[in-house]
Formats: sequence, structure tokens, C-alpha cells
Amino acid sequence: EAGVAQSPRYKIIEKRQSVAFWCNPISGHATLYWYQQILGQGPKLLIQFQNNGVVDDSQLPKDRFSAERLKGVDSTLKIQPAKLEDSAVYLCASSLASGENTGELFFGEGSRLTVL
Amino acid sequence: SQQGEEDPQALSIQEGENATMNCSYKTSINNLQWYRQNSGRGLVHLILIRSNEREKHSGRLRVTLDTSKKSSSLLITASRAADTASYFCATDPNSGYALNFGKGTSLLVTP
Repeated sequence: EAGVAQSPRYKIIEKRQSVAFWCNPISGHATLYWYQQILGQGPKLLIQFQNNGVVDDSQLPKDRFSAERLKGVDSTLKIQPAKLEDSAVYLCASSLASGENTGELFFGEGSRLTVL
Repeated sequence: SQQGEEDPQALSIQEGENATMNCSYKTSINNLQWYRQNSGRGLVHLILIRSNEREKHSGRLRVTLDTSKKSSSLLITASRAADTASYFCATDPNSGYALNFGKGTSLLVTP
């Protein structure tokens, strides 16, 4: 079974530029998550999708971050314009769970963003 | 928001020793999960313990959960150099919302 795919693995941009990250979850997984992990810290949820609807985007900085999940499968996370503090690893995860219980999350390898 | 807090932040042991990591959390949970993250990689699920369970084993891993104290511990027995990684606890807050991760414990196992 293929895992969660993310691209690009690494991206270096200058502040005020834009960047987009792509995620393909495990086939059949209803729920998709984007987490931000700053160096030395744990993952912090940015947005949670169930199928193609948003469950929770309360911690997404909506003035610069946007995300979509087309047709309930792939997802794209965009940052525009980027700030220095956006330097982090952006982790995509998916899970089978679609009810009240959050089961095991399957993570991709992450996209490491450096903003100069 | 990050609900779990792992302790210690960093742990250094020798191969063959046991490693114990603790996690405390603040609100009621549906389940608690532990994940491992090798340097530069994504997180890998290790074990899930439900709120009505007190202890769970998986290979060399033993997890305990005390909901009255809102705490959990992860014990890795007979550690190996390959266990070197960061370990995170994550709480399931009910109602289908996403897991909340702690800041992690960095474990170094030296040969």
C-alpha cells in the first residue's frame, strides 16, 4: 500500500514570495490533515479536511495561508506572502477515521520550507 | 493548540537500557497515541491506548494511561541505537477533531 505522498521535499524562498505544497493521501482515507512543525517543536494543526469539507481551520493564518482538497483526494497548501516565521516542515497526514474517534494518523515525509 | 507535554525534553541512554518518557495533558480524551519521528522524516504511529485502558504492550513498548492524573508513560525496553528518535504523545480530544501533539522527547541511544 502506497503511503502519503508529499512534494516538494525541500523549498527555499525569499520572504514575500509564494509557495505551494501538494499532498496525496492514502487511497480511501477520508480525513486529511496539514500540520506545521517548527524546529524543535511538535506538530501543530493547520487544517483538517473530511472528504472535501473543512472540519477545523481555526489555527490557519488565513491572511496568508490557504488550503483546498479537490474532490476529496489530493490537497494543496499555499502560503502567500511568506514570512520568515513560516520556516518549518509542513506535514500532511491522513486517516481512515471519519467519525468521532480519531484513529491512527499516517504521515508523509514532510515538505521543509526555508524562508530567507 | 498543543495539549500534551512530554518529560523529559531529552534523554540519553546506552543500548540495552530502558527508556521512559512521560506525557501530561489537560482535558478529557478519547484516546492517547505515541508517535516516533526520526530526524528529517515524518511521524510514525507506535501505539494507541483508549481512555478506558490502563496499560498496553506492543513488542518492546509498554504504554500506561492514568486518566485521573491526565498522564501517560511510554517505556521502551532493551533500547537499541535504532530507537534514537523524537517521541511524541498525541491526544484525541473527541468529536472527530484532530490530534494534539506535545513538544516531544528526544531520545539518544548510544552503542
